Amino acid sequence: GENVEQHPSTLSVQEGDSAVIKCTYSDSASNYFPWYKQELGKRPQLIIDIRSNVGEKKDQRIAVTLNKTAKHFSLHITETQPEDSAVYFCAASMGGNYQLIWGAGTKLIIKP
Amino acid sequence: KAGVTQTPRYLIKTRGQQVTLSCSPISGHRSVSWYQQTPGQGLQFLFEYFSETQRNKGNFPGRFSGRQFSNSRSEMNVSTLELGDSALYLCASSGPGLAGGANEQYFGPGTRLTVT
Repeated sequence: GENVEQHPSTLSVQEGDSAVIKCTYSDSASNYFPWYKQELGKRPQLIIDIRSNVGEKKDQRIAVTLNKTAKHFSLHITETQPEDSAVYFCAASMGGNYQLIWGAGTKLIIKP
Repeated sequence: KAGVTQTPRYLIKTRGQQVTLSCSPISGHRSVSWYQQTPGQGLQFLFEYFSETQRNKGNFPGRFSGRQFSNSRSEMNVSTLELGDSALYLCASSGPGLAGGANEQYFGPGTRLTVT
């Protein structure tokens, strides 16, 4: 079945710097890749997603890139701010009736 | 639209008891997924219901069960509670999207279960 690996498990960056989190997936049939942000004590919230028919998607300071050949996708956060501190989860799905398969999460720490 | 709601928000139970948690999805959403999240851990998938049928199932023991009603509201039940069942239980709903494509999931606030 599908497996999603997420790295790193913890990422500490200086405020204003960029952060990159990478996920790899195993099933080439996967075609939907969302990213969720979970702040301390809150529910996970979808921040950006990408489908396999595009290679990159941007939304202000965040972007996701997808490399279908290498089977990996990454979350890029530029000009990091204290409110970016959270746990970020990636996921992959083959769509249709298939469930989302989740990465283990990355704790992002923004140092002032 | 109102978001996903879960009741109760907090629950304290004793080992050996059973518990039922409830999730009301976003209006129009027919899929409800349940997750277990322990401190510092990721999202462990329990099961997914779609149109009153269990469509997907994770690797949890049979003590964990669920159901979905005709109005898409879902319940999960845990019987013979163990200390290790203490966790945040999240449900997420998703609705109609791209044909053949996976849909965005929207999470509820969760039910924090403590087993003593």
